[in-house]
Amino acid sequence: AQRVTQPEKLLSVFKGAPVELKCNYSYSGSPELFWYVQYSRQRLQLLLRHISRESIKGFTADLNKGETSFHLKKPFAQEEDSAMYYCALRGNNAGNMLTFGGGTRLMVKP
Amino acid sequence: ETGVTQTPRHLVMGMTNKKSLKCEQHLGHNAMYWYKQSAKKPLELMFVYNFKEQTENNSVPSRFSPECPNSSHLFLHLHTLQPEDSALYLCASSQETGRGNEQFFGPGTRLTVL
Repeated sequence: AQRVTQPEKLLSVFKGAPVELKCNYSYSGSPELFWYVQYSRQRLQLLLRHISRESIKGFTADLNKGETSFHLKKPFAQEEDSAMYYCALRGNNAGNMLTFGGGTRLMVKP
Repeated sequence: ETGVTQTPRHLVMGMTNKKSLKCEQHLGHNAMYWYKQSAKKPLELMFVYNFKEQTENNSVPSRFSPECPNSSHLFLHLHTLQPEDSALYLCASSQETGRGNEQFFGPGTRLTVL
């Protein structure tokens, strides 16, 4: 079975502070990990995926297989980063089943 | 309209009603999905359709009945729902199922069951 855990429901930081949203997963095979973001009054959208090794809007995430983690980081948070962030995992089983974490609400205060 | 659209955006229904949720994608994708987002639970996959064929049913109660008449349209027929079925129902689409295919989400239908 695959499982995604986001231990923090709410994370509040000041503008310019570093931010790290935690994501831990449980999966016996080789997972594909994602971060999705949902800004206020907007739809859920893909932020980044681990296979791309890219930085989007200053965010990065590194897959740590030893710690089974995929934490999302940004060195200097901006007010416009305030949103709900969901970590998701897709296994290598048949189909395209995404398993989502419970989400973390990031609030960046001025 | 581009992307993934869902109608209605809000729906209130009684437990004895029958209603349907509609999803349409304008992306030329072949796979479509229904998700349920409850207040107290993570986003849950309900159904997957690939080239109009249902490939996943994530143990969803039979009071939820999906229909995929073509690759662009996906319906979720609702009947004799329970108050605990109140949630945000999200539709998504991707080029195909399988790894490497990004899913694009619709805005969701907020369902309230009285």
